[in-house]
Amino acid sequence: GEDVEQSLFLSVREGDSSVINCTYTDSSSTYLYWYKQEPGAGLQLLTYIFSNMDMKQDQRLTVLLNKKDKHLSLRIADTQTGDSAIYFCAEMEDSGYALNFGKGTSLLVTP
Amino acid sequence: DTEVTQTPKHLVMGMTNKKSLKCEQHMGHRAMYWYKQKAKKPPELMFVYSYEKLSINESVPSRFSPECPNSSLLNLHLHALQPEDSALYLCASSHEGTNSPLHFGNGTRLTVT
Repeated sequence: GEDVEQSLFLSVREGDSSVINCTYTDSSSTYLYWYKQEPGAGLQLLTYIFSNMDMKQDQRLTVLLNKKDKHLSLRIADTQTGDSAIYFCAEMEDSGYALNFGKGTSLLVTP
Repeated sequence: DTEVTQTPKHLVMGMTNKKSLKCEQHMGHRAMYWYKQKAKKPPELMFVYSYEKLSINESVPSRFSPECPNSSLLNLHLHALQPEDSALYLCASSHEGTNSPLHFGNGTRLTVT
């Protein structure tokens, strides 16, 4: 599948904002997704954005999409220690079923 | 809490054993998936079932055998596995219709000795 790229690690202080970035290559992607994985757990769907949108906000989460640059970001406001996890960006593959994941960004929130 | 339930949470099996992983969802989803995740890696697709029929097999070795008895249940039968098959096995489901978001279970942590 196409490559989805993410930075591997991000460290922030509690209360600060976190921004996790992702680039994708498949310009035909219609939906882009953010998943969170805590240690020992499965993947939790955080949010997703349709490709004709620029921004989507859901409580502390803001997703920005720059379709021209194929760049997606996830902003977490007022980051808490419970937000420490791995965050995966994903796009739907051409089949329309399978997700093509980035390698994941490990977010560490320090007190 | 996840609406996709996987059992068991942990499984240790020898290379000659036969075991099964189970997955259940009651969200009315008609597509169900098996993914494999190795440590510090993203999940990799294994199988997709759509309306209880196998629609995608990502060239998975035959020692992994999926089964979809009904629209709510998905099994993965394991036989003659290798130590390198040790991983987190994740089940997911989604509404039928492409681009529907996948909802994942918490996975089964499999160790092959």
